[in-house]
Amino acid sequence: GEDVEQSLFLSVREGDSSVINCTYTDSSSTYLYWYKQEPGAGLQLLTYIFSNMDMKQDQRLTVLLNKKDKHLSLRIADTQTGDSAIYFCAESKGNYQLIWGAGTKLIIKP
Amino acid sequence: SAVISQKPSRDICQRGTSLTIQCQVDSQVTMMFWYRQQPGQSLTLIATANQGSEATYESGFVIDKFPISRPNLTFSTLTVSNMSPEDSSIYLCSVGPTSGTDTQYFGPGTRLTVL
Repeated sequence: GEDVEQSLFLSVREGDSSVINCTYTDSSSTYLYWYKQEPGAGLQLLTYIFSNMDMKQDQRLTVLLNKKDKHLSLRIADTQTGDSAIYFCAESKGNYQLIWGAGTKLIIKP
Repeated sequence: SAVISQKPSRDICQRGTSLTIQCQVDSQVTMMFWYRQQPGQSLTLIATANQGSEATYESGFVIDKFPISRPNLTFSTLTVSNMSPEDSSIYLCSVGPTSGTDTQYFGPGTRLTVL
């Protein structure tokens, strides 16, 4: 079946790196996504990775894809208070629809 | 990326009434999607709004409860009909596909509370 799983919470200290993990089930997914949702706001696209890549870096963000294990991760370097949000992992179904994880709430400790 | 606006941003409604949510995009897009996000939950796709044809609804959602219009390539509305407290949610509009991918861009959402 189609399923995307994420841990519900992650707590890190300001300045440390955050690593948010996601597992998915559909090996035919072409794109995998990370979205960020701040309190009271819509979803903001952070980054996406094509399934034939294993890594993508964009400033403080690093996405790692292990296609064999169907595991996706988002690393945020030097985590700041502004990174406090819920982070959603999503995979493409191939018919322009996305399958969504439950979201990981990132909590920043001072 | 597309710029998407939604109106209203929030509303408090009485049970049994209906609310129409508008979604406006700053460029023509092929597909527009309507999602519901219940408190503390992930996104659930309600329907895909198609220009010039009926919307395509997901399992568990019906046209009588959530009628959708898509009069052109930049605008869509979602109506939440005969509301009950269980309809209290954030309703999100998104657009896609873009740039040859399945990427969707989201509006800011409409926070609905039904009393």
